[in-house]
Amino acid sequence: DARVTQTPRHKVTEMGQEVTMRCQPILGHNTVFWYRQTMMQGLELLAYFRNRAPLDDSGMPKDRFSAEMPDATLATLKIQPSEPRDSAVYFCASGLLRTGTDTQYFGPGTRLTVL
Amino acid sequence: AQTVTQSQPEMSVQEAETVTLSCTYDTSESDYYLFWYKQPPSRQMILVIRQEAYKQQNATENRFSVNFQKAAKSFSLKISDSQLGDAAMYFCAYRSDFGNEKLTFGTGTRLTIIP
Repeated sequence: DARVTQTPRHKVTEMGQEVTMRCQPILGHNTVFWYRQTMMQGLELLAYFRNRAPLDDSGMPKDRFSAEMPDATLATLKIQPSEPRDSAVYFCASGLLRTGTDTQYFGPGTRLTVL
Repeated sequence: AQTVTQSQPEMSVQEAETVTLSCTYDTSESDYYLFWYKQPPSRQMILVIRQEAYKQQNATENRFSVNFQKAAKSFSLKISDSQLGDAAMYFCAYRSDFGNEKLTFGTGTRLTIIP
């Protein structure tokens, strides 16, 4: 049963520290998304990639957030420096889009707490 | 920009009964996809059901079915024979068939199952 995996599942850090979240999309999926879930804003897109190329990162604070896909099996989301307002659950999702299917499958999320 | 509205923050239903969760959306597009995702306390986002806007037939998945009214821009989820495991947050989501492929989520409905 193919699944999206995310590490770490939980992260507690102090303000100013660098945070790196990792995602392994489902093998063969061509599109990877990063979403953030907060009580105030709900679920919102941060960035997404097709075939490892960034298509939209307009949801990310550019001064502190960066998203990359070093290879087809790994997507990373980095926050440097982290701030308390970054505390949220970060989801990675992958899908085989633009091929006749369209469903995004979510990972279990990383719960980030910035003190 | 598309918006998704879930007007019922909370719903409850007796076990084995039927419940309907409401969702409306706003778009000027004619081709798009609609989804219901379930988020149990584990935080995992689980796809429940999907609907392509060009299909007139309502989607069904076992005990889950939708009532898709394209002209009214309404997409409700019906859960039949409710089970304790159905207790979760339910999110309605929209995805365009053009341009940005992000999911736009509603604010969610928390469903409680009463034994």
